[in-house]
Amino acid sequence: GENVEQHPSTLSVQEGDSAVIKCTYSDSASNYFPWYKQELGKRPQLIIDIRSNVGEKKDQRIAVTLNKTAKHFSLHITETQPEDSAVYFCAASYKRYSGGGADGLTFGKGTHLIIQP
Amino acid sequence: SAVISQKPSRDICQRGTSLTIQCQVDSQVTMMFWYRQQPGQSLTLIATANQGSEATYESGFVIDKFPISRPNLTFSTLTVSNMSPEDSSIYLCSGEGRGTDTQYFGPGTRLTVL
Repeated sequence: GENVEQHPSTLSVQEGDSAVIKCTYSDSASNYFPWYKQELGKRPQLIIDIRSNVGEKKDQRIAVTLNKTAKHFSLHITETQPEDSAVYFCAASYKRYSGGGADGLTFGKGTHLIIQP
Repeated sequence: SAVISQKPSRDICQRGTSLTIQCQVDSQVTMMFWYRQQPGQSLTLIATANQGSEATYESGFVIDKFPISRPNLTFSTLTVSNMSPEDSSIYLCSGEGRGTDTQYFGPGTRLTVL
């Protein structure tokens, strides 16, 4: 089955600096890679995702890059703000078709992002 | 986006008993899944809830311990059977939005087994 490794487990950055979280996956059949943000006591919320036919995707201060050959993908957060403090999870799955039909997600172990004021 | 609710939100149970968790989604969901998140840990997929048929379980999870039903498109239950303290965890259901790639999560059920 799929295995997702995530690093680092804890990341502390100064407010305004950039943060990068990296993940690798093992199953070359995986073709969908979402990132979730989870605040303490809350449910995971999707912040950005990427499919295997795309190398990079941006949404304002957040970007995700994917290297299919190396089987790794990264989350980049620029101009970090205090409200970015949370646990971030990467995940991977196989989607049989666009817009639906996904297998369940395999998650990385999470990164606790701390934004220092 | 999909609206997903769960109940109970939390419970404290005695060893050896069973608890059934309910998950209700709005109509904008196709696939449904159940996950477990132990305190301070990541999420682990338990099973895919299939409408009108047996759930598909991941390695390490069995139907006798975690029976799952999905009688219709918008409702599913997960039962944690013959509980032990090791079952103390947060159980989350999720649904894949219709026509999207996104899995939305319910608020979770925090289970403590004494």
